[in-house]
Amino acid sequence: NAGVTQTPKFQVLKTGQSMTLQCAQDMNHEYMSWYRQDPGMGLRLIHYSVGAGITDQGEVPNGYNVSRSTTEDFPLRLLSAAPSQTSVYFCASSFRVGQPQHFGDGTRLSIL
Amino acid sequence: AQTVTQSQPEMSVQEAETVTLSCTYDTSESDYYLFWYKQPPSRQMILVIRQEAYKQQNATENRFSVNFQKAAKSFSLKISDSQLGDAAMYFCAYPLTQGGSEKLVFGKGTKLTVNP
Repeated sequence: NAGVTQTPKFQVLKTGQSMTLQCAQDMNHEYMSWYRQDPGMGLRLIHYSVGAGITDQGEVPNGYNVSRSTTEDFPLRLLSAAPSQTSVYFCASSFRVGQPQHFGDGTRLSIL
Repeated sequence: AQTVTQSQPEMSVQEAETVTLSCTYDTSESDYYLFWYKQPPSRQMILVIRQEAYKQQNATENRFSVNFQKAAKSFSLKISDSQLGDAAMYFCAYPLTQGGSEKLVFGKGTKLTVNP
C-alpha cells in the first residue's frame, strides 16, 4: 500500500502565485487533514474533512482552500501565496480523528 | 479553548538511561484518546503510543510507556534504555471532538537529544 502520498515534496513560489498541494490515500480513510509545521509552533491544523463533500476549518485556515470530491483525494489550494505561508505542510488520514493518523512525507514550500 | 502544552522545548539524555517528556492538556470531555508522535530528522511523523482515557492502565509499547493521570490532565512519555535512534522531536496530540468539530491538536513539541 502506498499509504498517504503528498506531491510535490519541495516547491518554491513567488508571492501572488497560486498552487495546489496534492494528497491522496489508498486506505479508504474518511478523515483527512492538512497541517503546517513551523519552528517552535508544532503542527497546526489548516483544514480537515470527515468524508467526501464535507470540509471544515482548523486553527489556521486563512489563505487556504480545500475540497473533498472523493474519499481518496484532499487537495490544498493556495490562491495567492504569501511569504507567511512558507512552511512544511503535512497531509494525514485515518478512519476517525480519534484513530492514529497516517502522515504523508510532507511538502517543503518556500514563498519568495 | 482546548490546548495541549509541552513545557520542555528541549531535553537530553544519556544513551541507555531513562527520560520523561511531559504533556498536559485541557479538556472537558470524559472519553478521549491521547497520542505521542515522533518526528526524526527524516521529517516523517511516526506514532509512538496511544492512550485511551477510559482505561486506567497506562499504555506501554516496548521501551515507551506513558504516565496518564486523568484528573491532573497529564500525559507524560517515558523512554527507557534510550537509544541514539530515539533522538527526534516528540509531539503530544489530543483529538478535540466537541461542538461538532473533529480536530487533532498538537503540542509545540520537545526536541530530544540522545548523547552517546
